Amino acid sequence: AQRVTQPEKLLSVFKGAPVELKCNYSYSGSPELFWYVQYSRQRLQLLLRHISRESIKGFTADLNKGETSFHLKKPFAQEEDSAMYYCALRSGNTGKLIFGQGTTLQVKP
Amino acid sequence: GAVVSQHPSRVICKSGTSVKIECRSLDFQATTMFWYRQFPKQSLMLMATSNEGSKATYEQGVEKDKFLINHASLTLSTLTVTSAHPEDSSFYICSADRSGNTIYFGEGSWLTVV
Repeated sequence: AQRVTQPEKLLSVFKGAPVELKCNYSYSGSPELFWYVQYSRQRLQLLLRHISRESIKGFTADLNKGETSFHLKKPFAQEEDSAMYYCALRSGNTGKLIFGQGTTLQVKP
Repeated sequence: GAVVSQHPSRVICKSGTSVKIECRSLDFQATTMFWYRQFPKQSLMLMATSNEGSKATYEQGVEKDKFLINHASLTLSTLTVTSAHPEDSSFYICSADRSGNTIYFGEGSWLTVV
């Protein structure tokens, strides 16, 4: 079965602290994984996709096929990073996305 | 950049009535669009795939007669919630697939059934 799991509903850190938002997946085949961010009252925005291997706003994520994980990391959290983060898996070659439960990141001053 | 727009952003309707939500791709053509439902503080649940010029493909457990999807043009998909009930109250989000590569999301539509 195709599934994305984000075990933490809420992650609260202080400004400047490192952040790791966990994501594990279950997929038979080569997965395409994404991180989306949803700031308060705004639409979902693409943050990262594993195939591009880029760093956006200081966030990085590495696909670990052995551990079936795609954790999102940032070395120094900023207050403006406070948002809802969703890990998502693309199903096949379609635009259909399977989302994790989401993790609220709260960065305290 | 590419934009996907939903209308209305908020709608309140009476129980038993039907309500339509539109999803438009503003600067690209989308042969496929997707409709999601999001409950407060929960994840997005895919409801259906909207295919231009053909029937929508519904996910398991989603009532096709309840949630009518029409994708009459390459830039517009509509979701009609028929005979709405309070439990249909939710945040509905659409997305559009640009050339099978990048997926863009609409801003979402809040539906409240009273």
